[in-house]
Amino acid sequence: AQRVTQPEKLLSVFKGAPVELKCNYSYSGSPELFWYVQYSRQRLQLLLRHISRESIKGFTADLNKGETSFHLKKPFAQEEDSAMYYCALGTGNKLTFGGGTRVLVKP
Amino acid sequence: GAVVSQHPSRVICKSGTSVKIECRSLDFQATTMFWYRQFPKQSLMLMATSNEGSKATYEQGVEKDKFLINHASLTLSTLTVTSAHPEDSSFYICSAMIGGSGNTIYFGEGSWLTVV
Repeated sequence: AQRVTQPEKLLSVFKGAPVELKCNYSYSGSPELFWYVQYSRQRLQLLLRHISRESIKGFTADLNKGETSFHLKKPFAQEEDSAMYYCALGTGNKLTFGGGTRVLVKP
Repeated sequence: GAVVSQHPSRVICKSGTSVKIECRSLDFQATTMFWYRQFPKQSLMLMATSNEGSKATYEQGVEKDKFLINHASLTLSTLTVTSAHPEDSSFYICSAMIGGSGNTIYFGEGSWLTVV
């Protein structure tokens, strides 16, 4: 069965510091990985997906099949990045979510 | 972008009654919609996958007779919590997938259910 693990429940960083959110997955097939973000009082929205290999709002994530990881990184965190971040594994039409990591960027 | 709307955003019901939550895709047709449940400070748990015109596919451990899902049109899916109990109190989120777009999924704003 598929599983997504986000080991950190809370990450607190200062503005301008790098931030890395860890995500590990287990799935026997070919994975499709996503990062979703939920800002305060807003709905969940897609941040990026591994097949796009793009940078959104300065965030990047690389799929490492050897380590079964899809860590999210941003070199210089901004206060507006404070939010809840969820890593998700797509299998067929389904999404399996990790437990989420709350990011708090302090001024 | 595509918009998914849930109604009501908050509902309080008495134990033993039933409550319906609607999920609408406002500007696109959704062949597939999903219902999630989220407990405080926990992740989203997929409850069921709803396909227009057919029966929903429930995840293991989800009681289909308790959580009735109907997807009667390409823009509307409903979740009815029957004979609600306080332990059914939770945040329910729906999402909708645009047909033929792979895994492009849009989420509703969620509905808080409190059973008293």
